[in-house]
Amino acid sequence: TQLLEQSPQFLSIQEGENLTVYCNSSSVFSSLQWYRQEPGEGPVLLVTVVTGGEVKKLKRLTFQFGDARKDSSLHITAAQPGDTGLYLCAGVKGGKLIFGQGTELSVKP
Amino acid sequence: SQTIHQWPATLVQPVGSPLSLECTVEGTSNPNLYWYRQAAGRGLQLLFYSVGIGQISSEVPQNLSASRPQDRQFILSSKKLLLSDSGFYLCAWSVIGPYEQYFGPGTRLTVT
Repeated sequence: TQLLEQSPQFLSIQEGENLTVYCNSSSVFSSLQWYRQEPGEGPVLLVTVVTGGEVKKLKRLTFQFGDARKDSSLHITAAQPGDTGLYLCAGVKGGKLIFGQGTELSVKP
Repeated sequence: SQTIHQWPATLVQPVGSPLSLECTVEGTSNPNLYWYRQAAGRGLQLLFYSVGIGQISSEVPQNLSASRPQDRQFILSSKKLLLSDSGFYLCAWSVIGPYEQYFGPGTRLTVT
């Protein structure tokens, strides 16, 4: 059983569309992080959310941490082909960083 | 600025052969270091982590081992590779606990 469940697992959309990726758990996390990974490369940290209800924006990306600190979402506005990649959420549990299984996003021009 | 290097970038090895993957970090002192394996481009499985020289914690029983001979060097090894060891191996570092990890470019290992 995955501690962090990401949905959807795969997402294929057209350029210009909006999308939301979800990261859910039954456990409380002190913080959640989002990473983006391109094929053949290591993940790159996008953001860390710490406070319940926190919202952070990174250009067209909006990250939200749930009030109960059990879930998080990533919303992309007007997606571009350059947004294509694997999006991973991760939370600290038991002194280790636990990763979700990822959402593979494909944005077609 | 900090940088992390991994080599080799790709490796094809026969079953039963030894393995040595190296990771080095520049621009920081006493980092926490991590080895992950990623299968089929999905989630990351933590294999080993180290909070200091000679201090290694193993997360998954397997035929792999890790060593940290220097502060900013982390090595992943195996005496005899199995087919199931194929995958994408990632090294990462962090400053404060397991939070906000920074990853290397990875090594693609194929065991034939």
